[in-house]
Amino acid sequence: NAGVTQTPKFQVLKTGQSMTLQCAQDMNHNSMYWYRQDPGMGLRLIYYSASEGTTDKGEVPNGYNVSRLNKREFSLRLESAAPSQTSVYFCASSEPRTRLYNEQFFGPGTRLTVL
Amino acid sequence: QQQVKQSPQSLIVQKGGISIINCAYENTAFDYFPWYQQFPGKGPALLIAIRPDVSEKKEGRFTISFNKSAKQFSLHIMDSQPGDSATYFCAASRRSGSARQLTFGSGTQLTVLP
Repeated sequence: NAGVTQTPKFQVLKTGQSMTLQCAQDMNHNSMYWYRQDPGMGLRLIYYSASEGTTDKGEVPNGYNVSRLNKREFSLRLESAAPSQTSVYFCASSEPRTRLYNEQFFGPGTRLTVL
Repeated sequence: QQQVKQSPQSLIVQKGGISIINCAYENTAFDYFPWYQQFPGKGPALLIAIRPDVSEKKEGRFTISFNKSAKQFSLHIMDSQPGDSATYFCAASRRSGSARQLTFGSGTQLTVLP
């Protein structure tokens, strides 16, 4: 039982390049989330998916797109990377989706640098 | 707009001391308040959480105090240990459509000296 896995662990991009961050969970959770973590700003929600087939914007969605491929997988795409997107990206999942006291389980993160 | 404000940004405590981290929120739609602990190179993990109808929750050396009228809550770590050295995030949860969203504070880097 691996929990939440993310690939890659590290990535360096040049401005304007594109890439997709992958996330998968094996806990049969309905809800999945993408956050970015920047120094002094905590974790900010980029996009989330309440259930398979649905996605919604979070606090900082500009410059990103997401795909909920199936119940297990939720990917984050940067179409044209910018230096402001240099950050550590975390994927999380939770279940049940509307339970009041649901815990979010986080992956190990992807450290992205955009030059 | 920082909906959950956390202080201090960093904290240094001697082994055996008490660590106190404070948070304040504005949105009254928040209805669940968890704390997450993050070690370097790892993702955050749930440490302890409280409902707003409870004023205090204790789990081992970790206690949350909650003041609903002041919209403030705090984490107390008793008998702090070097192994507690980590970054701590307070958070507030609310329902958003068919899911729940967490809003995080900015984090507190705790260092416990041996």
